[in-house]
Amino acid sequence: NAGVMQNPRHLVRRRGQEARLRCSPMKGHSHVYWYRQLPEEGLKFMVYLQKENIIDESGMPKERFSAEFPKEGPSILRIQQVVRGDSAAYFCASSPDVNSEKLFFGSGTQLSVL
Amino acid sequence: GENVEQHPSTLSVQEGDSAVIKCTYSDSASNYFPWYKQELGKRPQLIIDIRSNVGEKKDQRIAVTLNKTAKHFSLHITETQPEDSAVYFCAANRGSTLGRLYFGRGTQLTVWP
Repeated sequence: NAGVMQNPRHLVRRRGQEARLRCSPMKGHSHVYWYRQLPEEGLKFMVYLQKENIIDESGMPKERFSAEFPKEGPSILRIQQVVRGDSAAYFCASSPDVNSEKLFFGSGTQLSVL
Repeated sequence: GENVEQHPSTLSVQEGDSAVIKCTYSDSASNYFPWYKQELGKRPQLIIDIRSNVGEKKDQRIAVTLNKTAKHFSLHITETQPEDSAVYFCAANRGSTLGRLYFGRGTQLTVWP
């Protein structure tokens, strides 16, 4: 049973480009959470999705950031027109249902904006 | 508010000694408190968690205590080993969904042989 898979592991973008981060949850998990971690800080909640639904996007910046979790395929976190301040590690986690307490994190995507 | 405060930010102990990390939270609705261990460049890994209807939980050398009245919870590691060296994060859930977590800023634990 593969764990939460994220790709790419490292992503380098120039300012103004778009970044697309992918997350495939554990088999049987239909709930996905995205977190951002700045250097030497804790993780910050961004968005919570179920299949085809955004449940809570209160932690995600209103502009340039979007997320989706389609019926088929991985969850995508999209950052348009990236700026240097977007450089961070982005972690995805999944759980089987809303009442499941244990989050399983992926290995993260390290985004570097030049 | 959404803050989880974590102390200390760094902790150095000798192998075999105990380590204690403390956290406070402000959201009265929080009822789930996990602890994560993160090694450099790796994913956060859940090491122990506690629900608000329990005051203490132990798993081998690791224990967590919760004082819901005071909104405090702590991680205790006994008989520390060099392999315990990592960054430890406490967290508390936001609202009713257990997967939406507020994280502390982390404690860098170093265990010297």
